Amino acid sequence: EAAVTQSPRNKVAVTGGKVTLSCNQTNNHNNMYWYRQDTGHGLRLIHYSYGAGSTEKGDIPDGYKASRPSQENFSLILELATPSQTSVYFCASGDRDKPHEQYFGPGTRLTVL
Amino acid sequence: EQQVQQSPASLVLQEAENAELQCSFSIFTNQVQWFYQRPGGRLVSLLYNPSGTKQSGRLTSTTVIKERRSSLHISSSQITDSGTYLCAPDTNAYKVIFGKGTHLHVLP
Repeated sequence: EAAVTQSPRNKVAVTGGKVTLSCNQTNNHNNMYWYRQDTGHGLRLIHYSYGAGSTEKGDIPDGYKASRPSQENFSLILELATPSQTSVYFCASGDRDKPHEQYFGPGTRLTVL
Repeated sequence: EQQVQQSPASLVLQEAENAELQCSFSIFTNQVQWFYQRPGGRLVSLLYNPSGTKQSGRLTSTTVIKERRSSLHISSSQITDSGTYLCAPDTNAYKVIFGKGTHLHVLP
């Protein structure tokens, strides 16, 4: 099974601060994804990437940026964090032609005060 | 508009009972994947199938693409089956869309 790791696992940030969430996968998957999960909303796609150097907007990209500097790494960046961005964030990776086969990381719990 | 709907939202069973989870979707899709998640835990893929019936151990998924629905049957439930089950049909844009899930609680 694909190995997807996230760091940090927990983060407390202040409103207006910059937050970077990191994701690493070791199975050479082309696609990577960032989701947030909130009670009442389920999992929602923020940004995704088809490969190194590419980033695409998902369903709720406002307030977030993404960076894919290499095949293995995909970062989610909150330039000016707000309390509404308090959530659990999941990273996933998958094969280019199999969007249904996504392998998830353990999640990062972000609290913005 | 909610593109993926799951029912029931929550379900309580006695151990050894069977469970039937439903998923309907308004988007065009080629296949549906079911995920399992423990509270606060990562998602784990259970089954995916383009159509028809697919089984893995005590889990059976039945998908009828033309009718835009899928179901997950859990037989002989165990306490360790407790958690959230998420339905995720894929789209043509290299991504999947998740339902809000069914929260299953299996009692001893």
